[in-house]
Amino acid sequence: DGGITQSPKYLFRKEGQNVTLSCEQNLNHDAMYWYRQDPGQGLRLIYYSQIVNDFQKGDIAEGYSVSREKKESFPLTVTSAQKNPTAFYLCASSIADRGDTEAFFGQGTRLTVV
Amino acid sequence: LAKTTQPISMDSYEGQEVNITCSHNNIATNDYITWYQQFPSQGPRFIIQGYKTKVTNEVASLFIPADRKSSTLSLPRVSLSDTAVYYCLVGAPRAGRRALTFGSGTRLQVQP
Repeated sequence: DGGITQSPKYLFRKEGQNVTLSCEQNLNHDAMYWYRQDPGQGLRLIYYSQIVNDFQKGDIAEGYSVSREKKESFPLTVTSAQKNPTAFYLCASSIADRGDTEAFFGQGTRLTVV
Repeated sequence: LAKTTQPISMDSYEGQEVNITCSHNNIATNDYITWYQQFPSQGPRFIIQGYKTKVTNEVASLFIPADRKSSTLSLPRVSLSDTAVYYCLVGAPRAGRRALTFGSGTRLQVQP
C-alpha cells in the first residue's frame, strides 16, 4: 500500500542526547514536511523540502536538523540544542509545495525526554 | 501567506449539522481553501478542498462566498466519531510557496 511511515511511534531520550526520527514515503511525492505539535496546540512547521538535496527552515527550526538524500526519506534529528523537545512530531508529504494538492501525514512519533 | 481565523472550539450533539467558519480576509486570487481533520495522537487527514462556490464530497460540504474572504465547512448529521480538531488552510497552486501552514484549528466536541 502507498503511504507515509514514521518510526518509531514512541521514543524516549535522555537529556543531552541527539535522536533521529524516521519518515519514509512511497507516494513519489517531491515535497516533505516536519511538524511539531504540543498538547492542545496546532501544528508548527519545523523544516520542509521541495526536492532532493534541498530543504528550508520552517517557523521553529532551531535545535533541529534534517537531510533529504533520497526522495523517499526525510529524517529529522532532534539535537541537544533543542531545549524542550518533548512533543508529538508529524511528517507529511505532498506532490509539490502547492496549495491545491492534498498532503498525506504519517501517524506521528511521540518523543519524551526523560 | 493568507492568515486564517477559526473558532477555538464548538460543541454539538449527534445527528445535528455542524458548520465551522474560517475567515481569510487577505486571501489571494490563486489561493485554494483546504480543510483537514485530526484525531488525538494521529496525523491530520484531508477532508475537502475548494476554490469558489460549493464543493461536496461523501464526508462534507464546503461553502465559499463570492468574495472568498471566508469559508464554511459543513458536516451533516455528526456522530461521536466526528469529535476532532478541524483545520482550515489557504494556499496557492504555485511551486515555491509554502502551502501547509496550520493554525490552531477548531476543536469540535460531539455529545450523545
